[in-house]
Amino acid sequence: DAKTTQPNSMESNEEEPVHLPCNHSTISGTDYIHWYRQLPSQGPEYVIHGLTSNVNNRMASLAIAEDRKSSTLILHRATLRDAAVYYCILRDSTGRRALTFGSGTRLQVQP
Amino acid sequence: DTEVTQTPKHLVMGMTNKKSLKCEQHMGHRAMYWYKQKAKKPPELMFVYSYEKLSINESVPSRFSPECPNSSLLNLHLHALQPEDSALYLCASRNFIGGLRETQYFGPGTRLLVL
Repeated sequence: DAKTTQPNSMESNEEEPVHLPCNHSTISGTDYIHWYRQLPSQGPEYVIHGLTSNVNNRMASLAIAEDRKSSTLILHRATLRDAAVYYCILRDSTGRRALTFGSGTRLQVQP
Repeated sequence: DTEVTQTPKHLVMGMTNKKSLKCEQHMGHRAMYWYKQKAKKPPELMFVYSYEKLSINESVPSRFSPECPNSSLLNLHLHALQPEDSALYLCASRNFIGGLRETQYFGPGTRLLVL
């Protein structure tokens, strides 16, 4: 999987929007952008994914730059339960069926 | 049911012990995975099973022995582990339909301590 770059940590206040950036300048045309998060003492969980267009689901929104070299995960109203490590992962087309996790962004949410 | 279960939740073992970790899913997924996660690090892939056959072994030492007895079960047999093998062991599963869009479902992990 192609490499992604994320800030090590970010801080937010409860009930405010959070924008988590991810750079993936070597992305190829067939790479899907996936986001997972890992809450404390739990396994990772899927958040959202996209290819070219912006995506929304009940957990978050994914904004993808026009050149696809970066993306942003948007949590519209952060809660204390959103405190987690967020991983941005590119799924490539070479047949590797596993996830290659980068170091992720540790999000802290203040009350 | 979108759950992956793992047992036990915690395991303490000596370096001469033999133990097994168990993972189960009933989502009909035909790909199952073992990941290892050291403290404050991201998960790292160990093994991948596709249709009950081992398809990827990430050069894992032979003291870790995976087994997929059927499409719902995945085991990881442990023997003669070292203290540096202490970690969180995560199981995951995925359906093949949808290709690169498909998501993985993770279990809560087994926290292993080797003394």
